[in-house]
Amino acid sequence: DGGITQSPKYLFRKEGQNVTLSCEQNLNHDAMYWYRQDPGQGLRLIYYSQIVNDFQKGDIAEGYSVSREKKESFPLTVTSAQKNPTAFYLCASTASYSLNYGYTFGSGTRLTVV
Amino acid sequence: AQKVTQAQTEISVVEKEDVTLDCVYETRDTTYYLFWYKQPPSGELVFLIRRNSFDEQNEISGRYSWNFQKSTSSFNFTITASQVVDSAVYFCALSGPPLFNDYKLSFGAGTTVTVRA
Repeated sequence: DGGITQSPKYLFRKEGQNVTLSCEQNLNHDAMYWYRQDPGQGLRLIYYSQIVNDFQKGDIAEGYSVSREKKESFPLTVTSAQKNPTAFYLCASTASYSLNYGYTFGSGTRLTVV
Repeated sequence: AQKVTQAQTEISVVEKEDVTLDCVYETRDTTYYLFWYKQPPSGELVFLIRRNSFDEQNEISGRYSWNFQKSTSSFNFTITASQVVDSAVYFCALSGPPLFNDYKLSFGAGTTVTVRA
């Protein structure tokens, strides 16, 4: 079945460490997105990519980095510059012909700073 | 700028009661898309409905119904005869006109619905 796979499901980071969250899709979607979810704040856009080797900052990109070397993969790195990284991270994808069905979301990664 | 407001933070009902979730949006675009998503405890967002700005027909899907009123910039969602499985966080979202495959979504803060048996 087609879908989006995010890994790991839970991730713990020590202060000052960089960590990378994986997002893989086999839907042949062109566009991919990373959202951050905090309690009571809904989802906020971190980065998005409309095509391979290209990506744009979202509303809260500071302290994060991404790459899009392959169409199916869009990893997110949470750097040590991100001062409050504890949150739930959701990856999503869409293609123009599928907008009628909205985005497809992964099951998320819960990141905790220890 | 786009903005989505879900004024209700939490709603608690007893099974079989109806529950209505409010969603008010702001946008300068004349073409836009509105969505509702359900987030069960597992965390994954489940697509419920998409509505474009030119289609103001209300829609019913089983126990779910949506009321889109452009005049008041609202896109409310009603669950009829609620069930325990409806317990989840519900998000309303807004997307501008597709431009170069740019379908960024702006989300409301979400409404947590708890249905008690």
